[in-house]
Amino acid sequence: GIQVEQSPPDLILQEGANSTLRCNFSDSVNNLQWFHQNPWGQLINLFYIPSGTKQNGRLSATTVATERYSLLYISSSQTTDSGVYFCAARGNKLVFGAGTILRVKS
Amino acid sequence: DTAVSQTPKYLVTQMGNDKSIKCEQNLGHDTMYWYKQDSKKFLKIMFSYNNKELIINETVPNRFSPKSPDKAHLNLHINSLELGDSAVYFCASSQDWATGNIQYFGAGTRLSVL
Repeated sequence: GIQVEQSPPDLILQEGANSTLRCNFSDSVNNLQWFHQNPWGQLINLFYIPSGTKQNGRLSATTVATERYSLLYISSSQTTDSGVYFCAARGNKLVFGAGTILRVKS
Repeated sequence: DTAVSQTPKYLVTQMGNDKSIKCEQNLGHDTMYWYKQDSKKFLKIMFSYNNKELIINETVPNRFSPKSPDKAHLNLHINSLELGDSAVYFCASSQDWATGNIQYFGAGTRLSVL
């Protein structure tokens, strides 16, 4: 099955800094999603992005399907961005990466 | 109006007991899922139902039995609970089984087996 790897595993940022999270996947996919799990445990879908680039406020994501990776950009980070960011890719089922734990300090 | 709702939010029980977690979605979706998140935050699919039919059944002990009375509900029953079952269980739904669909998650049920 598909393998999904995320990097870095941990990231500490000062408020206002920018960051890039990476997701590599082992096989062709037609469904790639980014999720944010907030400190209260809620999983929120950020992007559905099997290819191309999308932007939503301070967040944007790019997937290069032919090279089997996706990037999540966070600009001007805020403390509310803290949590775990998951990438998930689908072959016959959605497979999650191990996540990137982001801590934004004020 | 919560799109995907799970009850209870917290469940503390003794080893050997049987418990159920309920899930309901009001999005009109055809497909529902159960995921398990372990203590290291790793998320893995357990089951998926499409229009009340089981389509994914991962390597999960037989003690776990999903039931879908209709396509808006997918409940999870766990028999003879073990310490290793302690985790957060998430229910999710998507429009249908087609590959291009976003999954929407419930708030999770934190199960603690003592």
